[in-house]
Amino acid sequence: GNSVTQMEGPVTLSEEAFLTINCTYTATGYPSLFWYVQYPGEGLQLLLKATKADDKGSNKGFEATYRKETTSFHLEKGSVQVSDSAVYFCALSATQGGSEKLVFGKGTKLTVNP
Amino acid sequence: EADIYQTPRYLVIGTGKKITLECSQTMGHDKMYWYQQDPGMELHLIHYSYGVNSTEKGDLSSESTVSRIRTEHFPLTLESARPSHTSQYLCASSAVGGDTQYFGPGTRLTVL
Repeated sequence: GNSVTQMEGPVTLSEEAFLTINCTYTATGYPSLFWYVQYPGEGLQLLLKATKADDKGSNKGFEATYRKETTSFHLEKGSVQVSDSAVYFCALSATQGGSEKLVFGKGTKLTVNP
Repeated sequence: EADIYQTPRYLVIGTGKKITLECSQTMGHDKMYWYQQDPGMELHLIHYSYGVNSTEKGDLSSESTVSRIRTEHFPLTLESARPSHTSQYLCASSAVGGDTQYFGPGTRLTVL
């Protein structure tokens, strides 16, 4: 079946540190891949997406590359800020039983300290 | 920027009460979803709809029910709330042919 496995948290970094959150997936076909971010007390916001192999999604200094050979979509940022503290979800789109759904990882909580 | 709204944002009620969580979107999206988010952050799809008069149960069994009488509106109802229903409820929508879901701000429900 379709599934997403992402790095367990929590992750704590100092401001300006490099961030990597690992995400691997299992899917039939060629799903689109997503990173969503959830700030405290809010809903999920789309951070970036990629729709085919070797695509790189990027937004707000974050980026992730769709790697079909390693079935991965790792999230990276070169220099994190305190305002990046949030929960990050990796997801894929999948068609199951004729219905198109998002399959989410369990989320990784990031805390950035000044 | 997506326009999807949920009310109330926070709700504290007693056991046995009937409640309705509202979700509306102004993007004309045909597809709408309800997720339950547990304290450990994991998201569970509980209901979805692909258009007016279409509703389906999601991956996690839920005692809640939904209706879709208008494209823009997808309310969720609990006939008799229990403490086990305490959770964050997130509504989302997406366009036909699109796989990106846009989320509302969520309703945090506490049942005493």
